[in-house]
Amino acid sequence: KNQVEQSPQSLIILEGKNCTLQCNYTVSPFSNLRWYKQDTGRGPVSLTIMTFSENTKSNGRYTATLDADTKQSSLHITASQLSDSASYICRSGGSYIPTFGRGTSLIVHP
Amino acid sequence: GAVVSQHPSRVICKSGTSVKIECRSLDFQATTMFWYRQFPKQSLMLMATSNEGSKATYEQGVEKDKFLINHASLTLSTLTVTSAHPEDSSFYICSAGGTHSNYGYTFGSGTRLTVV
Repeated sequence: KNQVEQSPQSLIILEGKNCTLQCNYTVSPFSNLRWYKQDTGRGPVSLTIMTFSENTKSNGRYTATLDADTKQSSLHITASQLSDSASYICRSGGSYIPTFGRGTSLIVHP
Repeated sequence: GAVVSQHPSRVICKSGTSVKIECRSLDFQATTMFWYRQFPKQSLMLMATSNEGSKATYEQGVEKDKFLINHASLTLSTLTVTSAHPEDSSFYICSAGGTHSNYGYTFGSGTRLTVV
């Protein structure tokens, strides 16, 4: 069964600090992994997308890593801002229908 | 590029009425549309997949007669919640895929449905 597990479930950090979110997947066949940011009451917005041959991908203060051997991905947020408060969702694509994780809820406090 | 417009963003309706949610691809042809619902603090749950000009494929447990999906054109798909009940209250999101990307699908902004 295809699964995507994210951790932690929720995270609270102070503005300016860094944080790392984790995503483990058991999707097969695997072709790509995507991180989304979802603000409350809004649709997810893509942050990064990586294929199995890519190890890292950056988008501004967001850096995603992928280890296809261990089937793990991480999303690192640098110098967090209040606007980073949101849910971050990991999605693994391989079969026709993608598999989503439950997301990590991030709260950035001033 | 790859913008999906979804509306309404919020709707409140009475029990027993029907509500239609629209998703439009503004700058690409959406050959496939996924419809999801999302409960608070939960993951996106796929309801159905539709390909332009074909009948939608529904996930197990999703009533096709209750959640009517129409994908009659390459730029428009609609989800109609018929005879809505309070338990249908949720956040509904569409995701459109087409020729703009090999890997990804673009999400709409979501519709918050509240049935009273």
